[in-house]
Amino acid sequence: DAGVIQSPRHEVTEMGQEVTLRCKPISGHNSLFWYRQTMMRGLELLIYFNNNVPIDDSGMPEDRFSAKMPNASFSTLKIQPSEPRDSAVYFCASSTPGRGNQPQHFGDGTRLSIL
Amino acid sequence: AQTVTQSQPEMSVQEAETVTLSCTYDTSESDYYLFWYKQPPSRQMILVIRQEAYKQQNATENRFSVNFQKAAKSFSLKISDSQLGDAAMYFCAYRSRAQGGSEKLVFGKGTKLTVNP
Repeated sequence: DAGVIQSPRHEVTEMGQEVTLRCKPISGHNSLFWYRQTMMRGLELLIYFNNNVPIDDSGMPEDRFSAKMPNASFSTLKIQPSEPRDSAVYFCASSTPGRGNQPQHFGDGTRLSIL
Repeated sequence: AQTVTQSQPEMSVQEAETVTLSCTYDTSESDYYLFWYKQPPSRQMILVIRQEAYKQQNATENRFSVNFQKAAKSFSLKISDSQLGDAAMYFCAYRSRAQGGSEKLVFGKGTKLTVNP
């Protein structure tokens, strides 16, 4: 079975440019999560969706960040304009929803470098 | 808000020996899950083991086991017969099971485990 697929794997761009990260969750998983990993702050949730609806976006740092889930098989995380402090590894994860102990399955992450 | 603390930034162990990684957490909830994830240099996040807070029995997965002390809010990971492939960052994580609670994972800062041949 295919796991969570993220693209690109690496992204290097200049400050001020728009960045779009993409995620395809595991088929049948109705919950999708975006996490950011930095040395200073570790792994933190940015936003998550249930059935394509944003449920908790309290981790989205500011208006420069936006996330969408137009359908059950695709999500994007966009940063516009990008800044050097946005450099991090961004993970997408998916799971079946609910109160059970279903684990979150992670993609391989996108390493983003803003110059 | 829930917090997860891993007090050991780095640990090392000899191959075939046993090592224990510590994790404590803070929550006012009584119903939750705890997880250990492994992140090797390849950057993947791999689930190692999970524990339901309502279960008294400690979870075990082959060479990996946990010591879950709910009253002390402690959730340590024991790796037996350590192998070179166990070398990685290990993250402890918390997730609410409360009705209406967030499904997000709250992570500790991680412990880097080195396995010496």
